[in-house]
Amino acid sequence: AQTVTQSQPEMSVQEAETVTLSCTYDTSESDYYLFWYKQPPSRQMILVIRQEAYKQQNATENRFSVNFQKAAKSFSLKISDSQLGDAAMYFCAYRSPYGGATNKLIFGTGTLLAVQP
Amino acid sequence: DAGITQSPRHKVTETGTPVTLRCHQTENHRYMYWYRQDPGHGLRLIHYSYGVKDTDKGEVSDGYSVSRSKTEDFLLTLESATSSQTSVYFCAISDPTRGHGEKLFFGSGTQLSVL
Repeated sequence: AQTVTQSQPEMSVQEAETVTLSCTYDTSESDYYLFWYKQPPSRQMILVIRQEAYKQQNATENRFSVNFQKAAKSFSLKISDSQLGDAAMYFCAYRSPYGGATNKLIFGTGTLLAVQP
Repeated sequence: DAGITQSPRHKVTETGTPVTLRCHQTENHRYMYWYRQDPGHGLRLIHYSYGVKDTDKGEVSDGYSVSRSKTEDFLLTLESATSSQTSVYFCAISDPTRGHGEKLFFGSGTQLSVL
């Protein structure tokens, strides 16, 4: 079974600085999808970024980018120019390609990011 | 934002009582999911549905049942609530055939406390 590990329960960053959140996963599959979701205090789950394993190029979305290391099974999230609104819980998630059209995600335990003014 | 409404938003109940949580969507998406969120566990899948009256178990389905009689509604029932079911419950929807790729859309969650 696939597992997702986030080894940093909490992180802190100064406003305008850069922070990297770590995520590792375990799978025997060769093709899959990886995600980072953000959960602010409002509790809403917001998709931040998505990576398809067969794509070697790292995904980017504005200030958010990933470092996808397939061989190492690592999928870290880099937030550049951190803003107060980035403070949230961040979840890494894995999706197997073998679920058909069913989008069942396996989530990590989350990293709580604090942004200091 | 996707049209997903969860009700109630908060609920306090007593051990042994039945509880039903409702998820209503206005997107006509085929797939619906129930997750629970607990500290130290992230989100875990309870049950999911791939169509009207078509449901299946997730990784933490014990003590829960679901029903989907209409495309827009997905109900989660705790037949006899226990304190271990105190959690935040999220409904989610997806429909890859509509070009949404692998994105899940989440509701705003229901905080359930079982005393």
